[in-house]
Amino acid sequence: QKEVEQNSGPLSVPEGAIASLNCTYSDRGSQSFFWYRQYSGKSPELIMFIYSNGDKEDGRFTAQLNKASQYVSLLIRDSQPSDSATYLCAVDTNAGKSTFGDGTTLTVKP
Amino acid sequence: GAGVSQTPSNKVTEKGKYVELRCDPISGHTALYWYRQSLGQGPEFLIYFQGTGAADDSGLPNDRFFAVRPEGSVSTLKIQRTERGDSAVYLCASSLGPNTEAFFGQGTRLTVV
Repeated sequence: QKEVEQNSGPLSVPEGAIASLNCTYSDRGSQSFFWYRQYSGKSPELIMFIYSNGDKEDGRFTAQLNKASQYVSLLIRDSQPSDSATYLCAVDTNAGKSTFGDGTTLTVKP
Repeated sequence: GAGVSQTPSNKVTEKGKYVELRCDPISGHTALYWYRQSLGQGPEFLIYFQGTGAADDSGLPNDRFFAVRPEGSVSTLKIQRTERGDSAVYLCASSLGPNTEAFFGQGTRLTVV
């Protein structure tokens, strides 16, 4: 079992819909949680981070964290074709390094 | 600099050769990370520097891999006796410290032929 699990997808949603991306992790000592967006051939770009249980909203993005269930999710509202990318979940135990999932590929169809 | 800079952007080398990959972090960032990413996979942790010292090198796959950061800024990842399985994109990231936002460079695509 990988330390950070994501559905590989592809996840396809129509333009304007809500895209829901999910991630589970195995280390209960994890403290920090990050969502990165990676366009094909490019490097990861941080879009959200969350440390506390609950929801955190930033524009069209909402990160949700449930430490008891070891689950973190990313919601993208009003999805746009430009949101089409691979979304990487990363988890940090406060030791410095982040452990990444293999990503979920999202396609937003016009 | 404005962002994390990695050189070269592409490197093709023959099996058995030695390569060095360079990372120039964002000015003032004390934390520096090296990751390796293969197609279809997430970045795989290699090593983390806090200042000049390697705080965690548990991700280095074997003793052919070594990294330095002698002055706490630029870092070099060194790979000896390269193997075809070393082919990947090597990503460097830097941050103000652990658990803070990490910014990635554009990566070095290493191809071992």
